[in-house]
Amino acid sequence: GAGVSQSPSNKVTEKGKDVELRCDPISGHTALYWYRQSLGQGLEFLIYFQGNSAPDKSGLPSDRFSAERTGGSVSTLTIQRTQQEDSAVYLCASSPVVGASYEQYFGPGTRLTVT
Amino acid sequence: GESVGLHLPTLSVQEGDNSIINCAYSNSASDYFIWYKQESGKGPQFIIDIRSNMDKRQGQRVTVLLNKTVKHLSLQIAATQPGDSAVYFCALSGGSYIPTFGRGTSLIVHP
Repeated sequence: GAGVSQSPSNKVTEKGKDVELRCDPISGHTALYWYRQSLGQGLEFLIYFQGNSAPDKSGLPSDRFSAERTGGSVSTLTIQRTQQEDSAVYLCASSPVVGASYEQYFGPGTRLTVT
Repeated sequence: GESVGLHLPTLSVQEGDNSIINCAYSNSASDYFIWYKQESGKGPQFIIDIRSNMDKRQGQRVTVLLNKTVKHLSLQIAATQPGDSAVYFCALSGGSYIPTFGRGTSLIVHP
């Protein structure tokens, strides 16, 4: 079946511009995560959606970052007034949250470059 | 909070050898541990997991060992193949659906 997809795969933007990154999770997965991965680093948690509950935004680095999840499916991560330090790979993952399993299925990521 | 570290950032092995990738953690409340594999240009892929009530779990060519006493987790890959070359991350969580990821170990398999 189809996995998690993300678009665009690459995005180059000028400092100060806004960007939107899209994630299409696996159908039926109730949990959705956004992470940021800088070169040679681990995954930095950004935000977590679970069903209709209020999202856990504790990982968002500043108020320039926001995310939505419409209809419990597609999610959009928006970065306003981008800065060079926002350059990274943004990864989305979904999870069925079945029982006590935390297994996450990751998309290929969006590589964001802010010039 | 939790901190996750890795003993070696890069591990080079010969094809056919066994590989051992290590991970240390600090939060004794962690109860779920996962290993992910990330190939270049791709997102992380789940390999194997283990709960804190276990100390060993085996999969296909992989074994995860958990030593709660010293807060240490390891991933063993048997008969390492060139296709195993990737960055391996440990991740852990304690009563939360939000795992903490380690920095990663790059495994390089030489044919």
